[in-house]
Amino acid sequence: GESVGLHLPTLSVQEGDNSIINCAYSNSASDYFIWYKQESGKGPQFIIDIRSNMDKRQGQRVTVLLNKTVKHLSLQIAATQPGDSAVYFCAENYNYGQNFVFGPGTRLSVLP
Amino acid sequence: DTEVTQTPKHLVMGMTNKKSLKCEQHMGHRAMYWYKQKAKKPPELMFVYSYEKLSINESVPSRFSPECPNSSLLNLHLHALQPEDSALYLCASSQVGGVTGELFFGEGSRLTVL
Repeated sequence: GESVGLHLPTLSVQEGDNSIINCAYSNSASDYFIWYKQESGKGPQFIIDIRSNMDKRQGQRVTVLLNKTVKHLSLQIAATQPGDSAVYFCAENYNYGQNFVFGPGTRLSVLP
Repeated sequence: DTEVTQTPKHLVMGMTNKKSLKCEQHMGHRAMYWYKQKAKKPPELMFVYSYEKLSINESVPSRFSPECPNSSLLNLHLHALQPEDSALYLCASSQVGGVTGELFFGEGSRLTVL
């Protein structure tokens, strides 16, 4: 399940289950979105991106869905593995700009 | 392995010290970034260099001074920092414009100010 509060929101899933991580973005004019994975002690790592002219994009075991009407982005991870445990950030951008704004992040915890 | 290299990985400094963080990339990217990240928080943009010129300064205090000597190198000079400046400092690079705006991050320099 998911918990939100003073700490970083955490999503706990069983190994092998699918994970869905959500992100509400702030700027209705944003037209480029990226999901990043950040493991402990490391820098953020690119997972998948999507432009605003699409509403779905698939990668290897990951799918990003974009709902511009409600300014919502989600990351779906299929068959979640222990190596998927990390903090996941969405980032938004506008018009090939350089000011990427990051969401608050969600910690994904994969249970054995 | 990341293609953006940051040194040092860890730095402890006093409030009167002067130190520098360094970042290097060899991907031919012409945009380079400094982000600050506090524990359990997202990265926050500090500076952006585009074609070796400062293009964005997010109202960062002058005790942080960026420098871009060439298209591959980015420095962050630190002077008279405060304990609240302790954080993970992330360098990133990207293409300017183009099809993808993906940021490539380094592993970060963890700074502790005593």
